[in-house]
Amino acid sequence: GENVEQHPSTLSVQEGDSAVIKCTYSDSASNYFPWYKQELGKRPQLIIDIRSNVGEKKDQRIAVTLNKTAKHFSLHITETQPEDSAVYFCAARNAGGTSYGKLTFGQGTILTVHP
Amino acid sequence: DGGITQSPKYLFRKEGQNVTLSCEQNLNHDAMYWYRQDPGQGLRLIYYSQIVNDFQKGDIAEGYSVSREKKESFPLTVTSAQKNPTAFYLCASTSVRFDNSPLHFGNGTRLTVT
Repeated sequence: GENVEQHPSTLSVQEGDSAVIKCTYSDSASNYFPWYKQELGKRPQLIIDIRSNVGEKKDQRIAVTLNKTAKHFSLHITETQPEDSAVYFCAARNAGGTSYGKLTFGQGTILTVHP
Repeated sequence: DGGITQSPKYLFRKEGQNVTLSCEQNLNHDAMYWYRQDPGQGLRLIYYSQIVNDFQKGDIAEGYSVSREKKESFPLTVTSAQKNPTAFYLCASTSVRFDNSPLHFGNGTRLTVT
């Protein structure tokens, strides 16, 4: 089955700096890669996703890049703000065959943005 | 907000008792999922269902059971066979009609077994 590794487990930055979180996946058939943000005590919420036919996607201060050959994808947050502090999860999904819809998550990264 | 309701928010049980966590969605989603969240381990898949009356084991199904009698409902039973049941449980759903539709989560149930 799919295995997703996420690094780092914790990340501390100063307000205004950039933050980068990296994930690798094992199943070359995976074709959908979402990122979720989870604030303390709340549900995970989708912040950005990318499909395997795209190499990069941006949405204001956040961007995701995908390298299918190397089987890794990254989340980039620019101009970080204290409200970006949360746990971030990457995930991968193979939408074909019997594993349709089975989203495998990374271990999570605790991001702390210091004012 | 989100259309997925999990109840209760907090649940306390004595060891040896079975407990059922509720998950209801009004998003008309076909697929529903149960994840368990423990500190430092991310979200691990317990069970998922892509259609009514059918479900599949996830990565950590031992000690859990589910049913999918209605499209809107996907209850999870934590049995006494689950060795470490204390955790945060998240239900989610998605549409299977569109390729790679995002997963929507409920607010979760925090289960404490003593």
